Amino acid sequence: AQTVTQSQPEMSVQEAETVTLSCTYDTSESDYYLFWYKQPPSRQMILVIRQEAYKQQNATENRFSVNFQKAAKSFSLKISDSQLGDAAMYFCAYRNYGGSQGNLIFGKGTKLSVKP
Amino acid sequence: NAGVTQTPKFRVLKTGQSMTLLCAQDMNHEYMYWYRQDPGMGLRLIHYSVGEGTTAKGEVPDGYNVSRLKKQNFLLGLESAAPSQTSVYFCASSSWTRSSYNEQFFGPGTRLTVL
Repeated sequence: AQTVTQSQPEMSVQEAETVTLSCTYDTSESDYYLFWYKQPPSRQMILVIRQEAYKQQNATENRFSVNFQKAAKSFSLKISDSQLGDAAMYFCAYRNYGGSQGNLIFGKGTKLSVKP
Repeated sequence: NAGVTQTPKFRVLKTGQSMTLLCAQDMNHEYMYWYRQDPGMGLRLIHYSVGEGTTAKGEVPDGYNVSRLKKQNFLLGLESAAPSQTSVYFCASSSWTRSSYNEQFFGPGTRLTVL
C-alpha cells in the first residue's frame, strides 16, 4: 500500500521569504501523480500544484515550485516570496496512474504560519 | 457552476442517531469520493463510486454506508452515530481519463459532532 509522510507538523516563514515543505512517499508503482493541496481556515481544499512521475521536469506554478526526486521518493514544495495569504495547512497527496480507484492518499499535513 | 456542494455544513448528533450527508456535483463527473479529516490526520477515504449505481469501500468504511442512485449525487449515511465519527467530512468528484491526472474537486466540508 502507498503511504505519504509529512515530517513537519508546523512551519513558520517571514513574509516575503522562502519556505520549503517536505514530503516523502512510498510506492512500488513507477507511474503516479503527486499533488500539493492548500487548506486555509475556510476548510476548502485547493490544488496548488501537481507533478506527473514520468516527467523529470519539476512543476512550477507562479510562486510555487516542487523538487521531485523520484529515486528518493521525495516531493517537496517551495513557496517563494511568501504572502500572508499563504498561511494554511498544506497536504501532500499521491495517486496511482490509471487503475480503477483514483482516490488520493494524503499525508498528515503541515501547518504553515506566515509572520508579517 | 456550483461545483461540488455538501449538505449540511454543520451537524450535531447524539450517539445512536442516524443521518445522511448529501454531496452533489454539476460537472458530470463519473467518480465521487467521501473522505474524513480528523485532527492531526490527512484526509482518509471512506467510500467511493466510479459511476451511477456502483460504490466501493475505502480505507475507513466501518459505520458508514453510501449510495449513488444518480450520477450527480453521492450520499453518505451513518446508521448509528458514534463519538468516533466526530470529524469533518469532504466529498470530492473527478472525471476519469486513464492518461490524465483527473483533478479532484472538493466540496466545502461538513463538520459533524457526535455527543
